[in-house]
Amino acid sequence: AQSVTQPDIHITVSEGASLELRCNYSYGATPYLFWYVQSPGQGLQLLLKYFSGDTLVQGIKGFEAEFKRSQSSFNLRKPSVHWSDAAEYFCAVRPKAAGNKLTFGGGTRVLVKP
Amino acid sequence: EPEVTQTPSHQVTQMGQEVILRCVPISNHLYFYWYRQILGQKVEFLVSFYNNEISEKSEIFDDQFSVERPDGSNFTLKIRSTKLEDSAMYFCASRSTEGYEQYFGPGTRLTVT
Repeated sequence: AQSVTQPDIHITVSEGASLELRCNYSYGATPYLFWYVQSPGQGLQLLLKYFSGDTLVQGIKGFEAEFKRSQSSFNLRKPSVHWSDAAEYFCAVRPKAAGNKLTFGGGTRVLVKP
Repeated sequence: EPEVTQTPSHQVTQMGQEVILRCVPISNHLYFYWYRQILGQKVEFLVSFYNNEISEKSEIFDDQFSVERPDGSNFTLKIRSTKLEDSAMYFCASRSTEGYEQYFGPGTRLTVT
């Protein structure tokens, strides 16, 4: 069955430190890949996306993600975290072949220590 | 920057009542979606809508649910007879014909008592 896994439920990071959030997917072929962020009381904001081409993609708010086909992964990174990055982060995928729906991972909640 | 809007932000209803959740997608988008997130669980797909008809729906989207685009700007989700387990955050999303990314609204928190 197709699935998206975010192994880390919670991550605590100090302000200014680097952050990496893991995402693994299980699909027959490489799907379209997305990262969304949900700040407290807010909706889901698109951070970045991968469709094809360069496997390192840049997004908003200083985030980047790297697609690794061999590992079926699409990990999100930020070199230096700000207090405002405290939020929940969701990896999502959509098959290329057919269908419209996004399948989401369980999310990773990021806490930022001063 | 254009955005998806949803009303109300919070709706409290009694079990068995009908509710209508409203969404205004981004104006030039033609694909519309509803998702829900039960507290502590994953965001789940409910339904997609294109060209005035449902293009895909999940097992969750049973006969109690319906969607409609009543005019050129609104997209609604109706739950005919709410159950306690319908309590969740409901997200509307839309996308254009040019891209694959979906843009989400802020959500409506539905509480069924």
